[in-house]
Amino acid sequence: DTAVSQTPKYLVTQMGNDKSIKCEQNLGHDTMYWYKQDSKKFLKIMFSYNNKELIINETVPNRFSPKSPDKAHLNLHINSLELGDSAVYFCASSQGLARGTDTQYFGPGTRLTVL
Amino acid sequence: DAKTTQPNSMESNEEEPVHLPCNHSTISGTDYIHWYRQLPSQGPEYVIHGLTSNVNNRMASLAIAEDRKSSTLILHRATLRDAAVYYCILRVSNTGNQFYFGTGTSLTVIP
Repeated sequence: DTAVSQTPKYLVTQMGNDKSIKCEQNLGHDTMYWYKQDSKKFLKIMFSYNNKELIINETVPNRFSPKSPDKAHLNLHINSLELGDSAVYFCASSQGLARGTDTQYFGPGTRLTVL
Repeated sequence: DAKTTQPNSMESNEEEPVHLPCNHSTISGTDYIHWYRQLPSQGPEYVIHGLTSNVNNRMASLAIAEDRKSSTLILHRATLRDAAVYYCILRVSNTGNQFYFGTGTSLTVIP
């Protein structure tokens, strides 16, 4: 059983297109996240959702819109794709404990290439 | 954001212990120290975490300095499957649940 799954694994598209990445977790967690890992392998948080409510939006362009239909899913929609959006996007989830012991579980990543 | 400093890369021979250091001089009293690792072409995975006392689990040990300004992740016998980037992260307990990843240490295991 995959705890945190993402689809698609690879996504190649042209500049200006709109695309979505889906994420699902079967761990019963309350909090989900999106991270972006650029070509230099730097991993940066983009969004955090707790029980379908946005908690964190780390100065991400508004072309990026997360959507959480229920607490097991957090999808990432990207409008008007740009070359700089090329990266690996990771979804993660955690129990959402407001304590330092909260552990995050990551998905396998989606490699987005914008041509 | 609480900041951590790690060496960019380290090498170890297979089946030998590995000590991965991390400095976190700005740590506050309630910040937890977390370690994650990222194997090639995979998402990060949890390794271990601690607050003040040393911690052991099936993957590794975490040694925390008495003043908590540094910590060391110890892999007791490195295997080729341990080759990964290891991230030391401070989890600030009174803020949201976000992690702020640094650049990590890329560990190479030599057969």
